[in-house]
Amino acid sequence: QKEVEQDPGPLSVPEGAIVSLNCTYSNSAFQYFMWYRQYSRKGPELLMYTYSSGNKEDGRFTAQVDKSSKYISLFIRDSQPSDSATYLCAMIKTSYDKVIFGPGTSLSVIP
Amino acid sequence: DADVTQTPRNRITKTGKRIMLECSQTKGHDRMYWYRQDPGLGLRLIYYSFDVKDINKGEISDGYSVSRQAQAKFSLSLESAIPNQTALYFCATSDRGYRQETQYFGPGTRLLVL
Repeated sequence: QKEVEQDPGPLSVPEGAIVSLNCTYSNSAFQYFMWYRQYSRKGPELLMYTYSSGNKEDGRFTAQVDKSSKYISLFIRDSQPSDSATYLCAMIKTSYDKVIFGPGTSLSVIP
Repeated sequence: DADVTQTPRNRITKTGKRIMLECSQTKGHDRMYWYRQDPGLGLRLIYYSFDVKDINKGEISDGYSVSRQAQAKFSLSLESAIPNQTALYFCATSDRGYRQETQYFGPGTRLLVL
């Protein structure tokens, strides 16, 4: 079983839709959870960061962590064509550990 | 100018050749990483370095070596390239301490081994 699993998609939605991206993980020791966004032919860039369980909101983006279920989500409201990218979840046990990335979900937002 | 740069951006080589991918950063970060990205497998860590004198193997280091020439420079070598090393390679950096989880990636090097 992989440490971090993510539906690879591709996911295609119309502009304005609410998008839900999800990851599951197996190691309960993970404490820090991140979402990276990767545009085509670019390196990943950090989008959201959360510590432990709960929600964090940043504009149209909401990151949700449920440690009891070992499940994290990223919600995108009012999706835009500029949101079209691959979204990678990532997590880490401590700040001195290695980051583990999910395989990424490819998202296309159709105008 | 970009904070993390990688050269070359694209490279085609033949089986058995030795090649080097280079990474430079101007962010002043101590920590540097090399990843490869393959479809369906995501980012996998090859090597990482927490400072100039510290080099550590990642999950897929076989067939690769690295050199940390300075705080700002971290090179990845393929000693004898093979076709299954065809992939997209990323260098990344992070700061020391509590924000190590925030990594800054270069633009990537697309490598094709024939």
